[in-house]
Amino acid sequence: NAGVTQTPKFRVLKTGQSMTLLCAQDMNHEYMYWYRQDPGMGLRLIHYSVGEGTTAKGEVPDGYNVSRLKKQNFLLGLESAAPSQTSVYFCASGQGRNSPLHFGNGTRLTVT
Amino acid sequence: AQSVAQPEDQVNVAEGNPLTVKCTYSVSGNPYLFWYVQYPNRGLQFLLKYITGDNLVKGSYGFEAEFNKSQTSFHLKKPSALVSDSALYFCAVRDTRNAGNMLTFGGGTRLMVKP
Repeated sequence: NAGVTQTPKFRVLKTGQSMTLLCAQDMNHEYMYWYRQDPGMGLRLIHYSVGEGTTAKGEVPDGYNVSRLKKQNFLLGLESAAPSQTSVYFCASGQGRNSPLHFGNGTRLTVT
Repeated sequence: AQSVAQPEDQVNVAEGNPLTVKCTYSVSGNPYLFWYVQYPNRGLQFLLKYITGDNLVKGSYGFEAEFNKSQTSFHLKKPSALVSDSALYFCAVRDTRNAGNMLTFGGGTRLMVKP
């Protein structure tokens, strides 16, 4: 049982380049989330999804897009990367309001 | 709006001593409260949660937390710290009035347990 899997683990981009981060979960969870983690700022929600085909903005959505075409996958896209998007990105999934979130191991992104 | 504050960036404690990691929250409705732990180069792992009922919640690895509604706090505690407890701890809250099911995290507290 893999849980939540994120790919890639590391990536270096140049300013203006684009990329997609992939998150896959095998727990049949309805809810999926993308967070970014920056020192001293905890985790901030970028976008989330409450089910297949749905997406919604979180706290810091600018510069990112997401898609949830299949229930098990949640993609995070950066159309034109900026140095301010250098961060560690975490995907999480959950089932229901009372349920804890399950996190992937993160993607460390550096934008130069 | 919902928010969480962890007033201490770092907590230092000697092995075998009790530990407390502080958390306060703000919600407009009622809170669902969570504690997570993060080890280096890993994602967050769930420790415990408060939804309703008994104010003292017991979780994984001997940790517990006490919900105090009047002080809007949810402090994490352990009677006897281990060196292996050294990690980054996050408190999180979800407002029951939050239709989007969004969880808000505090800034994190680094726990250092010294032998």
